[in-house]
Amino acid sequence: NAGVTQTPKFQVLKTGQSMTLQCAQDMNHNSMYWYRQDPGMGLRLIYYSASEGTTDKGEVPNGYNVSRLNKREFSLRLESAAPSQTSVYFCAGGWVGGEQFFGPGTRLTVL
Amino acid sequence: DAKTTQPNSMESNEEEPVHLPCNHSTISGTDYIHWYRQLPSQGPEYVIHGLTSNVNNRMASLAIAEDRKSSTLILHRATLRDAAVYYCILSTGNQFYFGTGTSLTVIP
Repeated sequence: NAGVTQTPKFQVLKTGQSMTLQCAQDMNHNSMYWYRQDPGMGLRLIYYSASEGTTDKGEVPNGYNVSRLNKREFSLRLESAAPSQTSVYFCAGGWVGGEQFFGPGTRLTVL
Repeated sequence: DAKTTQPNSMESNEEEPVHLPCNHSTISGTDYIHWYRQLPSQGPEYVIHGLTSNVNNRMASLAIAEDRKSSTLILHRATLRDAAVYYCILSTGNQFYFGTGTSLTVIP
């Protein structure tokens, strides 16, 4: 079992470019999540998907879109990257009110 | 405003117990209390969670105040591998609210 995997591990973008961060889980979780972590801070929820076919906004959704492709995959898209989106992005899978399993993260720099 | 408040850093000697405090004075009746820890360049790792009663597992214990406005994570015997940033988190439904965490240093 790989758990939760994320690609890419690192990415550098120029302002205005777009990209999609990929996340996949093999733990049969219904719920999946995208967080961002800025230096010295805790994680903040961007979007989540409680089940296949549903998505909802978290604390900081502006500038992002998500897609729950199937039960395994949950992608995060930046349509027009801004320097304020420089951060480490974590994907997680889990259950409502219970344990979440986090991926290794994607370190994104927007110049 | 953060929903949880934790000290920025704490130190402990190896093989001694560690008590990590957390204040969450605005907690609502259905919020769960979670603790995760994070090593450098890794994603957070689950430690323990609870709602009202104290909880124990193989990693730690969680002591929840009677009014639920504070909680304490207890590591019974700190090891060097326990050095990490510990986050106290409130969850409402699917939403996790992280604080800024406590950086735990374990002294050999």
